[in-house]
Amino acid sequence: AQKVTQAQTEISVVEKEDVTLDCVYETRDTTYYLFWYKQPPSGELVFLIRRNSFDEQNEISGRYSWNFQKSTSSFNFTITASQVVDSAVYFCALSEAYYNNNDMRFGAGTRLTVKP
Amino acid sequence: DTGVSQDPRHKITKRGQNVTFRCDPISEHNRLYWYRQTLGQGPEFLTYFQNEAQLEKSRLLSDRFSAERPKGSFSTLEIQRTEQGDSAMYLCASRMGSGSVGELFFGEGSRLTVL
Repeated sequence: AQKVTQAQTEISVVEKEDVTLDCVYETRDTTYYLFWYKQPPSGELVFLIRRNSFDEQNEISGRYSWNFQKSTSSFNFTITASQVVDSAVYFCALSEAYYNNNDMRFGAGTRLTVKP
Repeated sequence: DTGVSQDPRHKITKRGQNVTFRCDPISEHNRLYWYRQTLGQGPEFLTYFQNEAQLEKSRLLSDRFSAERPKGSFSTLEIQRTEQGDSAMYLCASRMGSGSVGELFFGEGSRLTVL
């Protein structure tokens, strides 16, 4: 069955530091989709990025970058020059295309605190 | 507002009472999902609808839980005879299309506290 592991429960950094959030997944499907969501204190999950299993290109969006490595089943998220507004819980998620395509499976989340 | 909206945002109830949550998805989205999130955990899938049809239910959804989506628009999630273990955030999400490729758009959630 699909599984997402975010081993870092909480991370605390000082503003302007770089921080990487780890995500490791398990799936038996050959086609799958990986996601990152941000959940600020208001509670609403905000979509950040989707990655297809057949596209291993890394992606950069402003201060955010994502490193997808199928060889290690990892989809890590790096925030460069962190800011206080980045403080939130971040979730990695996985959807399978065939075996269980109705259930987006989330990790337990990593709570990031950025201190001024 | 074109996002997913949920009502009520907070509900406090006594054990044994029934509660109902409502979700209004993004209007053009044909798929609607309910998730439950407890403290320190990620969202857990409960059920989903494609238009008005409820196509899948998680084993987490006991027979005290029922969800509907009449006319394929808004959805309701009812919990009967609430238990303290039902205390959680209930999240609604929607998306367009079929399959699993698209991202989910989430509402702000309905927080349930059972005393």
